[in-house]
Amino acid sequence: SQQGEEDPQALSIQEGENATMNCSYKTSINNLQWYRQNSGRGLVHLILIRSNEREKHSGRLRVTLDTSKKSSSLLITASRAADTASYFCATVGVPGSNYKLTFGKGTLLTVNP
Amino acid sequence: GAGVSQSPRYKVAKRGQDVALRCDPISGHVSLFWYQQALGQGPEFLTYFQNEAQLDKSGLPSDRFFAERPEGSVSTLKIQRTQQEDSAVYLCASSLARSFTRIEAFFGQGTRLTVV
Repeated sequence: SQQGEEDPQALSIQEGENATMNCSYKTSINNLQWYRQNSGRGLVHLILIRSNEREKHSGRLRVTLDTSKKSSSLLITASRAADTASYFCATVGVPGSNYKLTFGKGTLLTVNP
Repeated sequence: GAGVSQSPRYKVAKRGQDVALRCDPISGHVSLFWYQQALGQGPEFLTYFQNEAQLDKSGLPSDRFFAERPEGSVSTLKIQRTQQEDSAVYLCASSLARSFTRIEAFFGQGTRLTVV
């Protein structure tokens, strides 16, 4: 079963705009990870945020985590056509299940040139 | 190798046929995972190996699915008597550690299985 729900399911923006994707999950987590998937490179890890962190940056990516609301957001700034892909959040559970990534259904992002 | 390698990339099987999907993880990676991804969905966990030991196979949909990793490196996912509902992309991932508390998984390009 899938842990997370991404929102929106699909997002279309113009190059240079910012894109925000949200993820909600159901159970306690150790950390939350974001992955990108496109036909060229498969599923690639973007960023990991631990349960005791609230915000993390990596290049043009900014991730927030609110454990009280069981939600996370991924912001991509100054988007490029090459950012066109599906984006998935994946949760890592507490000990006993922390070897398993549980994915959401993903957000399909289209960046128009 | 440089990354996780899966073969074949595409497989068309007639209903009832057996198939075998291969995964070559990154050298030295302890953990290996198989995921199933239906069209328009996120990857769903199938099974997990730590070295050669299969520690979790709770995600395998039926007893037609079988996975092995006999020497703790290459893994094979076998599907017997394929059904149309088995059509999906099968992803293999590997990781250096025994848990994801600090690090990420590295995924292969997947095998797209189509059962006709």
